[in-house]
Amino acid sequence: GAVVSQHPSWVICKSGTSVKIECRSLDFQATTMFWYRQFPKQSLMLMATSNEGSKATYEQGVEKDKFLINHASLTLSTLTVTSAHPEDSSFYICSARRAGYSPLHFGNGTRLTVT
Amino acid sequence: GNSVTQMEGPVTLSEEAFLTINCTYTATGYPSLFWYVQYPGEGLQLLLKATKADDKGSNKGFEATYRKETTSFHLEKGSVQVSDSAVYFCELERAGTALIFGKGTTLSVSS
Repeated sequence: GAVVSQHPSWVICKSGTSVKIECRSLDFQATTMFWYRQFPKQSLMLMATSNEGSKATYEQGVEKDKFLINHASLTLSTLTVTSAHPEDSSFYICSARRAGYSPLHFGNGTRLTVT
Repeated sequence: GNSVTQMEGPVTLSEEAFLTINCTYTATGYPSLFWYVQYPGEGLQLLLKATKADDKGSNKGFEATYRKETTSFHLEKGSVQVSDSAVYFCELERAGTALIFGKGTTLSVSS
């Protein structure tokens, strides 16, 4: 089945530093990748949609200069949290799909803790 | 706007009990509806889907029927097992853009 690998699974960083999270589709080409943030006991909140080769589309309220998304190839999207602050601490999840309404395939998520 | 309302958990059942997790939605047009499941320590995975009214999605003994008249997509299973313990998410998609998840319902099944 389709596999999405997300790395790292957890990361601790100091306030003011930047963190990059990778999302790879291992056995299929992902035309679209999505990035979510999950707060404790809350649903997944879509942050942005990224299409290969074009700029990401950010949801309202998400700072695009803070959460940089790059979808450089059909198998890789990256989320960079720039100048991280403790309030950015959260669980970040990516998903990918081949096309249209094909199912989403999720990474296992990245737990970010900013100290 | 588009939204998904999912019953809050946790839902605690004994093995072999009947399960219903309610999901209702608001949307313009004709969205596609999905249920995703997240087992402990794992990522989300698709459980079932329905892309048009009256469609029934089914998988692993779970079923959900896309009911446009009641704007619902309730998840059901006739006899749950301990291995069904997980978090279940209802999701709505429309026109390949709007992508909205419910808050998730935690199911705990005891033997």
